[in-house]
Amino acid sequence: LAKTTQPISMDSYEGQEVNITCSHNNIATNDYITWYQQFPSQGPRFIIQGYKTKVTNEVASLFIPADRKSSTLSLPRVSLSDTAVYYCLVGSYSGNTPLVFGKGTRLSVIA
Amino acid sequence: NAGVTQTPKFRVLKTGQSMTLLCAQDMNHEYMYWYRQDPGMGLRLIHYSVGEGTTAKGEVPDGYNVSRLKKQNFLLGLESAAPSQTSVYFCASSYYITSGEIAKNIQYFGAGTRLSVL
Repeated sequence: LAKTTQPISMDSYEGQEVNITCSHNNIATNDYITWYQQFPSQGPRFIIQGYKTKVTNEVASLFIPADRKSSTLSLPRVSLSDTAVYYCLVGSYSGNTPLVFGKGTRLSVIA
Repeated sequence: NAGVTQTPKFRVLKTGQSMTLLCAQDMNHEYMYWYRQDPGMGLRLIHYSVGEGTTAKGEVPDGYNVSRLKKQNFLLGLESAAPSQTSVYFCASSYYITSGEIAKNIQYFGAGTRLSVL
């Protein structure tokens, strides 16, 4: 399984754009990248998933360079309610190899 | 559509007691997982199941057993609880679809069970 490295914590002011980068140097050809969000006392929630280039949904954007050795989750104009832990996962989802959650990045949004 | 439901939400056990945590999903997902999360830590996989009647060990399986007798249910058992098993337990389920040669698998999580072992 591809190992991921992401910052332990980040702070941001409300209204700013937040970019969280995840490194996955040994990503395999069939691996894709998934981000989850976890609020205190809740289970993680799926945010976005991608394989290459850029993916955008109503919550976030995911930027993946051509070499796919890293990815960046972009949260536009964060609010206090975006304070959470964000997890980057990389894997092939072959069906018999579940992904591994690391410690994630704790984002604190300040008023 | 309730999604993933965990029972109970809270429990306090004495060392050596046993208990079973129930996870139920109504999304007809093939895959189900049990994780534990300790304070300030990420999620660690205990056991998982890729289909009814099948189970497999995850990262931290010792001290736990699981069963998947029905597709919608995944049970986690503690035969003899220890203080080291004090944690928040999350259950998740997922579907598995393929888009060309790239498979996609999104997990849906329950609200968690907070377990304290004294």
